Amino acid sequence: SQTIHQWPATLVQPVGSPLSLECTVEGTSNPNLYWYRQAAGRGLQLLFYSVGIGQISSEVPQNLSASRPQDRQFILSSKKLLLSDSGFYLCAWKGDSLSYEQYFGPGTRLTVT
Amino acid sequence: KNQVEQSPQSLIILEGKNCTLQCNYTVSPFSNLRWYKQDTGRGPVSLTIMTFSENTKSNGRYTATLDADTKQSSLHITASQLSDSASYICVVSARHAGNMLTFGGGTRLMVKP
Repeated sequence: SQTIHQWPATLVQPVGSPLSLECTVEGTSNPNLYWYRQAAGRGLQLLFYSVGIGQISSEVPQNLSASRPQDRQFILSSKKLLLSDSGFYLCAWKGDSLSYEQYFGPGTRLTVT
Repeated sequence: KNQVEQSPQSLIILEGKNCTLQCNYTVSPFSNLRWYKQDTGRGPVSLTIMTFSENTKSNGRYTATLDADTKQSSLHITASQLSDSASYICVVSARHAGNMLTFGGGTRLMVKP
């Protein structure tokens, strides 16, 4: 069966510090991968998606970047965090093009102080 | 602009009672509509997915309806339980490259004993 992992689960970082959040998927190959952010009391906002290794598309201009160094690994990064980067970050994966379902990871709670 | 609006924003009901959550969308061209349940601090978990040709789908005590003409959906929860306390998110997918999702802001449901 497929599983999706995210770490760390929680993170408190000062403004201006770097960020690296990791997402890995097991039990599937060549998934579509997604990074979302959920601000407190708000809906999910798509940040990045990837249809393959090294292929990253950005949905919104921002202070973050994403990379996909391996088929089932998706990394969200920042060189210098802003206060507005605080939120709940969710990684998700989707199987083949015939599948509608997106499966979400457990999320990372980021607080920028 | 694709949008998904949910109502109410929050709801408190007594254990054992029924409730109905609403979702209106303007996503076009429509591909499918999903309802997710998100426990606090966790990733969303899919409850139902409906395509254009489906107007109702059940998952245990959860029943979703879809009216593609009026672009409305509802999620009915029967005989609520304390474990139903969560945010319920309506998500609509457009039928174009990547099947990107548009998320509603969610309805926060609290079931009290």
